[in-house]
Amino acid sequence: DADVTQTPRNRITKTGKRIMLECSQTKGHDRMYWYRQDPGLGLRLIYYSFDVKDINKGEISDGYSVSRQAQAKFSLSLESAIPNQTALYFCATIPRWGQNYNEQFFGPGTRLTVL
Amino acid sequence: RKEVEQDPGPFNVPEGATVAFNCTYSNSASQSFFWYRQDCRKEPKLLMSVYSSGNEDGRFTAQLNRASQYISLLIRDSKLSDSATYLCVVNGKSGYSTLTFGKGTMLLVSP
Repeated sequence: DADVTQTPRNRITKTGKRIMLECSQTKGHDRMYWYRQDPGLGLRLIYYSFDVKDINKGEISDGYSVSRQAQAKFSLSLESAIPNQTALYFCATIPRWGQNYNEQFFGPGTRLTVL
Repeated sequence: RKEVEQDPGPFNVPEGATVAFNCTYSNSASQSFFWYRQDCRKEPKLLMSVYSSGNEDGRFTAQLNRASQYISLLIRDSKLSDSATYLCVVNGKSGYSTLTFGKGTMLLVSP
């Protein structure tokens, strides 16, 4: 089984709808991240969390919210989806300590299309 | 200067060629440097960390020049399976646990 899973893998929705993307990890890592990737723009950080009680905004948090329900779960919500939120969304995790403590482990991604 | 800037690419090379990727970063306080590989529509995966003294992993060699804020990746004897996008990554403004990604350089290795 994959260490970092994302659901759904693909989603098509309409403008104005509320959407939740979910991320779960079995790696036991403390730190979790949400990114979006757009062609020509690379990966951009939306939100990140160092533990259940610690949530931080990334560079493009407007229009998004997150919830860290447990150490293993980190959800991203689009309260009212708009077409320019069409993108590939990745969840990632990182351990607090370790030899490669900066290596981020990514989920397989969620492809979101907002019509 | 953009936070992390890479050659725009794509690079088209024949099998067996040597190819070099260049990257510059703007945050002089950055401490951690990486190259990630991303296959089409897949998640990025760590290729190698970059250390101050330079490091090698098989056909891959990474170099870091802190004074110039420059990172490089050299791939020797390119294989078809090396075709992917290569992302230069440095730890971000918020410290060690956030990373800033370059836009990536696509590599296409042809027979």
